[in-house]
Amino acid sequence: VLLVESGGGLVKPGGSLRLSCEASGFAFSDYYMNWIRQAPGKGLEWVSYITNSGSSISYADSVKGRFTISRDNAKNSLYLQMNNLRVEDTAVYYCARQIFTVAGSRFDPWGQGTLVTVSS
Amino acid sequence: DIQMTQSPSSLSASVGDRVTITCRASQSVSTYLNWYQQKPGKAPNLLIYGSSNLQSGVPSRFSGSGSGTDFTLTINSLQPEDFATYYCQQSYSTPHTFGQGTKLEIK
Repeated sequence: VLLVESGGGLVKPGGSLRLSCEASGFAFSDYYMNWIRQAPGKGLEWVSYITNSGSSISYADSVKGRFTISRDNAKNSLYLQMNNLRVEDTAVYYCARQIFTVAGSRFDPWGQGTLVTVSS
Repeated sequence: DIQMTQSPSSLSASVGDRVTITCRASQSVSTYLNWYQQKPGKAPNLLIYGSSNLQSGVPSRFSGSGSGTDFTLTINSLQPEDFATYYCQQSYSTPHTFGQGTKLEIK
């Protein structure tokens, strides 16, 4: 089971970036997927999730209206389109599979992360 | 949103010690509470799910307990590889919020 993010980089405030997460080793289309971020030296912040079919999506208030999550089950890939980026969006962005059981849900595994830096 | 508060924020301990980290939720999350370990420069790794269920492959010196609003992560007989930052996370409701982290350092 492996998740590999890509697409991070340096972007100016107000700019856009598209992150990708390629999944392997499991039935991607069976699972909800999430983006979670971590600002430098800070804690973890959940960003967004998408259901296995893509029919339902949710965002953190901090990114609502600016970020769009999507997936392509045929390509085993998850995406995060980030528009109107702000300095405070600077973070390592992780994709994570969400597993549901009677014990609740959990994020496992996580990708290695991709760094997004928003700076002029 | 449910707020998760961990204590302490940092902790110094020695190899072989037993340590306990506490996580408190701003409202009941039943037992929908997970714990993750993160080492510098690495992604978080799931340790405990559903308050007390040990993730496959995680050493048995790690254990979790609690329900409602108060939870604990206990590490028995600390090993050198356990020095890391630990996060709790509630899965009771969206957004699935995390605690601020507890950094476990070598004394």
